[in-house]
Amino acid sequence: EAGVTQFPSHSVIEKGQTVTLRCDPISGHDNLYWYRRVMGKEIKFLLHFVKESKQDESGMPNNRFLAERTGGTYSTLKVQPAELEDSGVYFCASSQGQGRDTQYFGPGTRLTVL
Amino acid sequence: GQNIDQPTEMTATEGAIVQINCTYQTSGFNGLFWYQQHAGEAPTFLSYNVLDGLEEKGRFSSFLSRSKGYSYLLLKELQMKDSASYLCAVRDGRTGFQKLVFGTGTRLLVSP
Repeated sequence: EAGVTQFPSHSVIEKGQTVTLRCDPISGHDNLYWYRRVMGKEIKFLLHFVKESKQDESGMPNNRFLAERTGGTYSTLKVQPAELEDSGVYFCASSQGQGRDTQYFGPGTRLTVL
Repeated sequence: GQNIDQPTEMTATEGAIVQINCTYQTSGFNGLFWYQQHAGEAPTFLSYNVLDGLEEKGRFSSFLSRSKGYSYLLLKELQMKDSASYLCAVRDGRTGFQKLVFGTGTRLLVSP
């Protein structure tokens, strides 16, 4: 069974540009999460989808970040316009259902904003 | 507030036993996870505790005391491949909410 996949693995953009990150969860997983790790800090939660609905977006830093999960399958996270402080590793995770399910992580997208 | 503490770095010798501690103060609790992360790779699930006590899985064991806000990960018969970061994470306790709150991770270096 394929794990969580993310694309691209690396992205280098200039301040002010737009970047879109993609996450494909494990097949059949209703829950999809985005997390971010900035340099030297802990991994921090951004938001949680249940199917196509946003269950919890309390971690989204500001309105430059837009996450979508049309059709309840893959998800995209768009940063527009990107700022220097957005640099970091963006992780996606998925879990099967409600309750105490384990979250399985993807390898992350390393975003560098110059 | 949310606060999870774990040591920044630990060193140990191949074949030895190491214990990585994690203390937490969170507004809710619905389980504690340990993940292993090698550089540049995905965090990989190791263990999950929601009730007090010890959970054993091969060379790895994890312990939880909810009253003390304390957990540890025990690694036995250390191997070179165990050199990695170990992440402690607490799950949000509110019904329907699943977010994980992470510590900064403990970088473990296993030497020959």
